[in-house]
Amino acid sequence: AQTVTQSQPEMSVQEAETVTLSCTYDTSESDYYLFWYKQPPSRQMILVIRQEAYKQQNATENRFSVNFQKAAKSFSLKISDSQLGDAAMYFCAYRSAYSFGETSGSRLTFGEGTQLTVNP
Amino acid sequence: KAGVTQTPRYLIKTRGQQVTLSCSPISGHRSVSWYQQTPGQGLQFLFEYFSETQRNKGNFPGRFSGRQFSNSRSEMNVSTLELGDSALYLCASALRRGSYEQYFGPGTRLTVT
Repeated sequence: AQTVTQSQPEMSVQEAETVTLSCTYDTSESDYYLFWYKQPPSRQMILVIRQEAYKQQNATENRFSVNFQKAAKSFSLKISDSQLGDAAMYFCAYRSAYSFGETSGSRLTFGEGTQLTVNP
Repeated sequence: KAGVTQTPRYLIKTRGQQVTLSCSPISGHRSVSWYQQTPGQGLQFLFEYFSETQRNKGNFPGRFSGRQFSNSRSEMNVSTLELGDSALYLCASALRRGSYEQYFGPGTRLTVT
């Protein structure tokens, strides 16, 4: 079974600064997807960024970028120019790329989450 | 395009009762997944429905069940409620199984007293 670990329960950053959230995962599969989701106080889960395991190039979405190290099974999220609106719980998630089987389809495996505080 | 809607948003039930939660996916989406979020266990996958059939199930007791209708709307039912069932229940919709992106609803906050 796949597992996702976020070792930082809480992080804080000054507005306009850069912060990196860590995530490691364990899987025996070779093809999969990794995601970072944001959950603000409203509890609505919002997709921040995604990465396909077969792509070596790290994904980037505006101020958000990832450092994907497949061999090390590491997937960190970097937030540049942090804004007050970035304050939220951030979840790292894994999804198999296979369409069949117990761990496949749309099933996401989430990490424990990292609570990010942005200080003005 | 309307997002994923979940009803009700808040619910208070008593131990031993049963509850039904509803999820309406984004128009055209045929896959619906359910997750339970608690402070102790985090986010855990409950089940996934596609084309009115359960395709995948997480490690939850048989008290947790669900179904999907022909219009892709999904319901989940919890029978014989326990205090530990208090949680935020999230549903997510996707165009099809294995779609790249899933979109989450706002959740239903269930409190069991």
